[in-house]
Amino acid sequence: DSGVTQTPKHLITATGQRVTLRCSPRSGDLSVYWYQQSLDQGLQFLIQYYNGEERAKGNILERFSAQQFPDLHSELNLSSLELGDSALYFCASSVGLTEETQYFGPGTRLLVL
Amino acid sequence: GEDVEQSLFLSVREGDSSVINCTYTDSSSTYLYWYKQEPGAGLQLLTYIFSNMDMKQDQRLTVLLNKKDKHLSLRIADTQTGDSAIYFCAGADRGSTLGRLYFGRGTQLTVWP
Repeated sequence: DSGVTQTPKHLITATGQRVTLRCSPRSGDLSVYWYQQSLDQGLQFLIQYYNGEERAKGNILERFSAQQFPDLHSELNLSSLELGDSALYFCASSVGLTEETQYFGPGTRLLVL
Repeated sequence: GEDVEQSLFLSVREGDSSVINCTYTDSSSTYLYWYKQEPGAGLQLLTYIFSNMDMKQDQRLTVLLNKKDKHLSLRIADTQTGDSAIYFCAGADRGSTLGRLYFGRGTQLTVWP
């Protein structure tokens, strides 16, 4: 158990819908990262937050957004869902901004029908 | 950014050693990581190595780093059926303020009894 929690574990929804994925980092970790794992793209970095502020963006679509709250948990919002958004979404956390090892949560498996 | 390449499959017999190889392009990565993903599970951090090291041993795991060839390997001694999983090599972007990880596509290790 990494100490990073993610909910829900599974999510099934329809195209055009909007979902919210939630992540709680390890106690004491200030950075939260979101990654997407799909068969065709592999593991791709989406976005990073540090102590409530967005710090880095990767291959994140404009339909996707995230935030980190004062209690340091984070939410990833996916809207106008398409079939191709079906993937495993991981959250990871680390103590600091850089030079820190990232610990991953169990992931949320999203299926868009 | 970083490109990380891994072979996709490896099969070994129980009790043998497994060697999983990885090559990377960005020599600015200060840390290189190995993660393990079991079916339906998240990413488990196995070990990591600093770029100024050539080797790191941790129980059954040995990591070798050849900076000149930008080659990283993970050796698992006395491989067990429980080691069957996907193994990911990852480099961290330390060249800027970003802490994102760049992952290879993963090596599926199958251990036969």
